[in-house]
Parts: sequence; C-alpha cells; structure tokens
Amino acid sequence: EAQVTQNPRYLITVTGKKLTVTCSQNMNHEYMSWYRQDPGLGLRQIYYSMNVEVTDKGDVPEGYKVSRKEKRNFPLILESPSPNQTSLYFCASRSNTEAFFGQGTRLTVV
Amino acid sequence: GENVEQHPSTLSVQEGDSAVIKCTYSDSASNYFPWYKQELGKRPQLIIDIRSNVGEKKDQRIAVTLNKTAKHFSLHITETQPEDSAVYFCAARTYTGGFKTIFGAGTRLFVKA
Repeated sequence: EAQVTQNPRYLITVTGKKLTVTCSQNMNHEYMSWYRQDPGLGLRQIYYSMNVEVTDKGDVPEGYKVSRKEKRNFPLILESPSPNQTSLYFCASRSNTEAFFGQGTRLTVV
Repeated sequence: GENVEQHPSTLSVQEGDSAVIKCTYSDSASNYFPWYKQELGKRPQLIIDIRSNVGEKKDQRIAVTLNKTAKHFSLHITETQPEDSAVYFCAARTYTGGFKTIFGAGTRLFVKA
C-alpha cells in the first residue's frame, strides 16, 4: 500500500528543545516536501527536496532544517522550537501523476 | 512574493446543486494546478489537477478549468452530495530549478442534505 508515514502524530514540547519529525515514503518518489497548516492560511511550503541530497527552501523556511540522505526519508528538524512554530505539519511526496500527504503531526511548543 | 487567492472562503449549497471555487495566481510561470480535498481531521488528498497546456479537465462530477491569460482556475463540482463537504485547497506550482508550490487559503464547502 502506497504510504507517507509521519512520526510522531502529536508532540508537545518546550521552547528551545530540539526536535525532529520523521517522514518516510514507500513509493520511490523523488520529490518530497514539508508544509505547515495554520487556520486561515492554508498550507505553506517549508522545504522541498527534488532528490537525494537536493533540498531547497519553500515559502516559510525560517526556523526549520531538513535533510535528504536517502530517497525514502525526509526529516524536518526544529533546532530551537518557538511558540510560533505551533502548527499542524504535513509531509508529502509525489511523482508526476500522483501526490500523497502524510497523516500530519500536530506540534505544540510551550 | 507570489501568492494564490482563493474564493469563497466558505460555500454552502443544497444537495444536488453545483459548487464553484475560484483561484487566482500571480506567478505567470506556474504550470501545474492541483486541487486537494481535506476532510475534518484528515490529510489533504489530491482530487484533480490540470497542467498549463490544457484548458479543462473532467473526472466524473469534478471539473477544473484554467484561464492562463487571466491567471485563474476554477473547481466545479456538480450534483453535490453531503460527502463532498470538506475544505478544498487550490495550489499553483512553479518550476524554478525545483518545484515550489503555493496553496490558496482554502474553501470550506457545506453540502446540506
């Protein structure tokens, strides 16, 4: 079954404590991306990756890092989380004809 | 910066009626326009998409039209059903050495039985 899997689904953390949200896909897609979803703002692209070791900034990259050391994984790293990064995060992967989102990670930074 | 405007933000229709959601994009280099449906508490799912070399695409009750000159595209849902109730997002993708995707703010569609 085609899947994009994110972990964890829910996370509450404190300001400044580094965290990583993992994303894994089993479709051999080259293109992966991260979005955050906030009320009234829709989905905003944080970072994307065209292939292994190829990443680029989206619209709202500040405060985030990513890595793409292997095709299936695209982790999102928050080195020093702040309350304004409280949001719902989605990882996505796509080929030319199909697009899949992960189930989402609800992050709260207190 | 580049943006995508989506209207209306909320749309309420009677079951069986049609629903139309409109989006306008600013980057003339955008060449791919997907539409996503997101049910409450779930992930967005691609429902239809259109590329810039096509003016219209249809899939059963769903159709999308694209006007490149005016830089707008629309989602049309005919014979709406209660299960069509969801938030719908349009998006515009541009290739600039990488694929950058900008989403509209979303339209919450209510279909009343």
